[in-house]
Amino acid sequence: DSGVTQTPKHLITATGQRVTLRCSPRSGDLSVYWYQQSLDQGLQFLIQYYNGEERAKGNILERFSAQQFPDLHSELNLSSLELGDSALYFCASSDASSPSGDTQYFGPGTRLTVL
Amino acid sequence: AQKITQTQPGMFVQEKEAVTLDCTYDTSDPSYGLFWYKQPSSGEMIFLIYQGSYDQQNATEGRYSLNFQKARKSANLVISASQLGDSAMYFCAQVSYNQGGKLIFGQGTELSVKP
Repeated sequence: DSGVTQTPKHLITATGQRVTLRCSPRSGDLSVYWYQQSLDQGLQFLIQYYNGEERAKGNILERFSAQQFPDLHSELNLSSLELGDSALYFCASSDASSPSGDTQYFGPGTRLTVL
Repeated sequence: AQKITQTQPGMFVQEKEAVTLDCTYDTSDPSYGLFWYKQPSSGEMIFLIYQGSYDQQNATEGRYSLNFQKARKSANLVISASQLGDSAMYFCAQVSYNQGGKLIFGQGTELSVKP
């Protein structure tokens, strides 16, 4: 158990809908990262937050947005869903003061299926 | 641009033998970190080992060691005394610290351990 929690574990929805994925980082970690894992694209970085502020952005679609709240949990919002958005979405967290180079610990993931 | 290459899509190893999973990276940033993660069939991403670009010695964590050859830009994972539970996908990843904390992943190597 990495200490990072994600809900829900599975999500099945229809095209055009909007969903929210939730992540709670490990206790004390200020950084939260979101990744998407799909068969054709592999593991792709979406976005990073640090202590409530957006720190870095990857190839995140405009239909996707995220935020980190004062209690440090984060949510990833996916809207106008398309079939191609079906993927495993991971949240990871890290401790910037870690001697092992800011190792990111991953949550169990949310498997999104868009029908 | 950063890039991680894992040239072995799949590998087999006999139980109790050692196995090396290859990883080459490409970055112009002098400050970077290299990671290996394990993804079993259940889907979670498990951190295995970390190597910093300035580390003089190869990293080791139990049965895992990282063969870091900086000049060749390679960071191979060595698993000693393979166990059936080592059967999984293995991902090499890199972070360039001057470009934020995002991880860039390779395509992965699927390792199968035979009894």
